[in-house]
Amino acid sequence: RKEVEQDPGPFNVPEGATVAFNCTYSNSASQSFFWYRQDCRKEPKLLMSVYSSGNEDGRFTAQLNRASQYISLLIRDSKLSDSATYLCAVNNGFSGGYNKLIFGAGTRLAVHP
Amino acid sequence: NAGVTQTPKFRVLKTGQSMTLLCAQDMNHEYMYWYRQDPGMGLRLIHYSVGEGTTAKGEVPDGYNVSRLKKQNFLLGLESAAPSQTSVYFCAIGRRLMNTEAFFGQGTRLTVV
Repeated sequence: RKEVEQDPGPFNVPEGATVAFNCTYSNSASQSFFWYRQDCRKEPKLLMSVYSSGNEDGRFTAQLNRASQYISLLIRDSKLSDSATYLCAVNNGFSGGYNKLIFGAGTRLAVHP
Repeated sequence: NAGVTQTPKFRVLKTGQSMTLLCAQDMNHEYMYWYRQDPGMGLRLIHYSVGEGTTAKGEVPDGYNVSRLKKQNFLLGLESAAPSQTSVYFCAIGRRLMNTEAFFGQGTRLTVV
């Protein structure tokens, strides 16, 4: 089983739709969680951190469910510009001697007019 | 991404050739990482460094070597390139503090023929 798993998609949604992605992780000792956005042929960029209490930034809401070991990303009122791949990342703390950040393979979102 | 610069951006190698990828940062972060990204595989850690003069293996280190002689630079070397090393390579940096995110360079697209 992969340490961090995501549905690869693609999720095809119309503009204005609400869409949600989940990301499951296997290590119950994971320390922190992030969502990254990656545009085609570009580097991943941090979208938001995921706190235990949840995190909201405009149209984006991230939540953590430790009991079920997953994080989620909700995008409301989707825009064409939201089309991208969304990577989740899980920090397992000082595992193996370094600040270990494990990435999922990403979920692709395509927003159409 | 002004903080992390990778050179070159593109390269085509013949099987058996060698090359070095350079990652330079101006954010004074302690940790530096080299990832490769392949379709459907997500980001996989090749090597990492927790400080100047130190390096360690990640999940897929075979065929690569690294050096970090200066805090701001992290070099990834391919001694004898193979077609299986065709990939997009990303350098990332992070702080020593727990639960912190990583910042990425713009990537190097390498093709080995």
